[in-house]
Amino acid sequence: DTEVTQTPKHLVMGMTNKKSLKCEQHMGHRAMYWYKQKAKKPPELMFVYSYEKLSINESVPSRFSPECPNSSLLNLHLHALQPEDSALYLCASSQDLVVLNYGYTFGSGTRLTVV
Amino acid sequence: GDSVTQMEGPVTLSEEAFLTINCTYTATGYPSLFWYVQYPGEGLQLLLKATKADDKGSNKGFEATYRKETTSFHLEKGSVQVSDSAVYFCALGGATNKLIFGTGTLLAVQP
Repeated sequence: DTEVTQTPKHLVMGMTNKKSLKCEQHMGHRAMYWYKQKAKKPPELMFVYSYEKLSINESVPSRFSPECPNSSLLNLHLHALQPEDSALYLCASSQDLVVLNYGYTFGSGTRLTVV
Repeated sequence: GDSVTQMEGPVTLSEEAFLTINCTYTATGYPSLFWYVQYPGEGLQLLLKATKADDKGSNKGFEATYRKETTSFHLEKGSVQVSDSAVYFCALGGATNKLIFGTGTLLAVQP
């Protein structure tokens, strides 16, 4: 299995809702990432997990809360979002935080719309 | 710090034309270099990579050579197809332990 699977593919939520994005990989990768991508822009790193521990938080607002329940799963919990948080949210994984020779494997993303 | 500079797009070509998308980088040490492709409505896919100087990465007719002397990793393809229309991102993996992306270049291939 060489894929990163993200669910749901599309999500519309109100500003008072709580929702979660899910990401799963079975490649034995020990580093997992959340990115936010706005239209016509490169992905922006949000969080990095290494061996199931939060390694990097790129000063993301607390309305975004990551969770790594085990080595294969990564969640992003959303609460009280703003319309400007509407974007494509991408999950990625890599063999290791330090070993970047193989790059990252990305999921297809969740298209989030906040209304 | 580490950075990647890509040529501005969009790049518009006719089918079977030759493609070059320029990418230069700034980094300490010896980074790995990547090209990712993003088709409309999808995530990023790794297109090719090179991990040391003079390495040539290739895939699906695309090629890029890691040139340390010019700090470049230009993407080339001899004959583009309509199906190659996408956004192409150059990226660097170096001392910061995270991928650094360029701004992306939109390629539009017309039949």
